[in-house]
Amino acid sequence: GAGVSQSPSNKVTEKGKDVELRCDPISGHTALYWYRQSLGQGLEFLIYFQGNSAPDKSGLPSDRFSAERTGGSVSTLTIQRTQQEDSAVYLCASSKNSGNTQYFGPGTRLTVL
Amino acid sequence: DQQVKQNSPSLSVQEGRISILNCDYTNSMFDYFLWYKKYPAEGPTFLISISSIKDKNEDGRFTVFLNKSAKHLSLHIVPSQPGDSAVYFCAANRGDYKLSFGAGTTVTVRA
Repeated sequence: GAGVSQSPSNKVTEKGKDVELRCDPISGHTALYWYRQSLGQGLEFLIYFQGNSAPDKSGLPSDRFSAERTGGSVSTLTIQRTQQEDSAVYLCASSKNSGNTQYFGPGTRLTVL
Repeated sequence: DQQVKQNSPSLSVQEGRISILNCDYTNSMFDYFLWYKKYPAEGPTFLISISSIKDKNEDGRFTVFLNKSAKHLSLHIVPSQPGDSAVYFCAANRGDYKLSFGAGTTVTVRA
């Protein structure tokens, strides 16, 4: 079946603009995760969804970051008033349930000029 | 605070030889460990995992060893193949959703 998909694959934006990143998880996966990988760093946990609820938003770096999930499927990560330090690869993953193996999408490379 | 550490950013190995990737962790509550492999412009793909109740798990050419007392795990790839050239991430959690990742080791397999 289809894997996790993300769009866009690349996004270049100007400092101060808002961006939306989309994730389509594997069909039937109830858990969805967002991570960020900055240059030379490991993956940094941002937020976890179980169904449409986000029990853990502890990794979101600031209140400029928000995420939602609708219909237990697609998720959108929104970054408002982007800053240069937001430049990174944003990765989405899904799993059947929390605690199961996570399957990752290809990521969105965000560049803030 | 980096709870999972991969101290070798890169590894070069000849085709056919063994690749050994190392990973250390600090959180004694971790009880599930995974290795992911990542090619450029792709997301990480799950490779192999091990539960803290085991000290070894093998899957084809890949074997993961866990030393709980040393808080250390390693991934052995035997024999190494050109297609194994990638970035390898070590990850750990407490059997829940929150994976902590190392910074990755770039493996280059030389022909």
